[in-house]
Amino acid sequence: DVKVTQSSRYLVKRTGEKVFLECVQDMDHENMFWYRQDPGLGLRLIYFSYDVKMKEKGDIPEGYSVSREKKERFSLILESASTNQTSMYLCASRDRGNGYTFGSGTRLTVV
Amino acid sequence: RKEVEQDPGPFNVPEGATVAFNCTYSNSASQSFFWYRQDCRKEPKLLMSVYSSGNEDGRFTAQLNRASQYISLLIRDSKLSDSATYLCVVFGAGSYQLTFGKGTKLSVIP
Repeated sequence: DVKVTQSSRYLVKRTGEKVFLECVQDMDHENMFWYRQDPGLGLRLIYFSYDVKMKEKGDIPEGYSVSREKKERFSLILESASTNQTSMYLCASRDRGNGYTFGSGTRLTVV
Repeated sequence: RKEVEQDPGPFNVPEGATVAFNCTYSNSASQSFFWYRQDCRKEPKLLMSVYSSGNEDGRFTAQLNRASQYISLLIRDSKLSDSATYLCVVFGAGSYQLTFGKGTKLSVIP
């Protein structure tokens, strides 16, 4: 089974802090994704990467950046955390022709 | 029109009941279709892919109607453990990403 691992299950950060969310997958998948999920809004795509060093903006990239230096690792960066970035963050990995496998999520609270 | 639309529910059904969810999608060029299940405060997990001819996995049956651009999920003999949110997911042509519906919440009641 594909495993997608997110580094933290719960995080509490202060407004203005720089926050790094890490995601690692172990099946050599080319495509990786970062979503946030909020009640009533569903899953919203922040950024995705279709290969090493490649990145594309999703629907809500403002306030975020990403890094993909190695195929197995896709990092989401909140440059200056704000309270409206309090959310559940989900990383996913995908092989061609198949659905996503998600990590277990990081519940981020910005205070 | 939203890309993937689902009735948010909640659907409250007794154990043993049969329940069906529908989902419509706007992109006629969509190629692949999935149902995901998400338990409270957990990540979504793939329940089943949806094939043009329809497919079944135990108590679960998925159907695709390309002409009408909708997908359905039928759950027979509902169990308490089926309580979750069910997400309809569509993969479009020329895209790297999946498009998710907002989900339909199911509660199976004893």
